[in-house]
Amino acid sequence: DAGVIQSPRHEVTEMGQEVTLRCKPISGHNSLFWYRQTMMRGLELLIYFNNNVPIDDSGMPEDRFSAKMPNASFSTLKIQPSEPRDSAVYFCASSLGTASAYGYTFGSGTRLTVV
Amino acid sequence: AQSVAQPEDQVNVAEGNPLTVKCTYSVSGNPYLFWYVQYPNRGLQFLLKYITGDNLVKGSYGFEAEFNKSQTSFHLKKPSALVSDSALYFCAVRDYYQKVTFGTGTKLQVIP
Repeated sequence: DAGVIQSPRHEVTEMGQEVTLRCKPISGHNSLFWYRQTMMRGLELLIYFNNNVPIDDSGMPEDRFSAKMPNASFSTLKIQPSEPRDSAVYFCASSLGTASAYGYTFGSGTRLTVV
Repeated sequence: AQSVAQPEDQVNVAEGNPLTVKCTYSVSGNPYLFWYVQYPNRGLQFLLKYITGDNLVKGSYGFEAEFNKSQTSFHLKKPSALVSDSALYFCAVRDYYQKVTFGTGTKLQVIP
């Protein structure tokens, strides 16, 4: 298995532009999580899905952020419009179950820079 | 609300010496506890977990962790540190509602 696959690895965009981050979870995993990592805030859970349904989006910073999971093998995190304070590394993780007894498998992350 | 504290931003240890990375937690009910490791420019990798049972949990790469309920701690340990163990280590706790909270991370530096 190739693990959790995220694209792109790096994204540089101008303030105000739309940014879409993509994630392919491990086949058979039914939970998917989006995290944001910054030096100031550490790891923050943005949203998670179970069986393609959003369960908890309380970590989504504001309406500029949206996430979808149209099927079991694909998820997107969209920021529109982007702002410099959105610059961070965004991680996608998947697990079998909602991590009740299993660890997460993380992707390598997307490093987003908004200038 | 649940929380995880990693009191040390950085731990330095000489190669071959035992290492300990500290973690304390606060959660309602029985805790599910995890340790992850992050190497530069990589995602987090699962090391080990405590759900129930023996207080000493063994994980990947020779790491182990000791669960102490009375002290609400879950310290990560290794008998003999390797230079390749140098990385960022995260403790995490899961509550009854299945929300996982990560600590702020501890940078482990193993000195040759």
